[in-house]
Amino acid sequence: QQPVQSPQAVILREGEDAVINCSSSKALYSVHWYRQKHGEAPVFLMILLKGGEQKGHDKISASFNEKKQQSSLYLTASQLSYSGTYFCGTWRNSGGGADGLTFGKGTHLIIQP
Amino acid sequence: GAVVSQHPSWVICKSGTSVKIECRSLDFQATTMFWYRQFPKQSLMLMATSNEGSKATYEQGVEKDKFLINHASLTLSTLTVTSAHPEDSSFYICSATPLAGAVYGQQYFGPGTRLTVT
Repeated sequence: QQPVQSPQAVILREGEDAVINCSSSKALYSVHWYRQKHGEAPVFLMILLKGGEQKGHDKISASFNEKKQQSSLYLTASQLSYSGTYFCGTWRNSGGGADGLTFGKGTHLIIQP
Repeated sequence: GAVVSQHPSWVICKSGTSVKIECRSLDFQATTMFWYRQFPKQSLMLMATSNEGSKATYEQGVEKDKFLINHASLTLSTLTVTSAHPEDSSFYICSATPLAGAVYGQQYFGPGTRLTVT
């Protein structure tokens, strides 16, 4: 089941903050956040495994709610390099089919100078 | 550490031919590798899970006879697109989970292979 990401797109000025949400109707094993620039492979940002977990590095952080159904990615004081498409990936155990990450549709983030 | 490479980076082939894409974990071993594809302006879609020493498991709707996966060693998985057609043109990306990690833990992605079928 594909996680639901919101918003679909965000346009910010450099230095502004952004929040990207990722939600699922079922509890998740893990949530993975990636950023992808056009024509390139996704770049890993962070993974959350535990309900209630919060983590971050530099000015990017993320949280995972207690029920493990919702995660948010926080971008603080955005920089031009933050531009790209952000995907959340949720682990799915299909019970016999292909197990792997199911990605949301992505959030396009544009940072303007 | 934890680098995954893919070869080739891009390939152009004629309709009806087969193309092989390699995915290698360079500095770790992985019993499980994953293959995704991404069409323009879309999200990544899981195609199959590649298991070392056993058959791959495919996502519903992915033709296993068309997308042949071989995971012959703990550092190499290959995806062969057989009888490729223009609609197979896509960005193919692999990922791998280190042996010691949880299978649902961090995955390491390769740089991707762009396939264009003419």
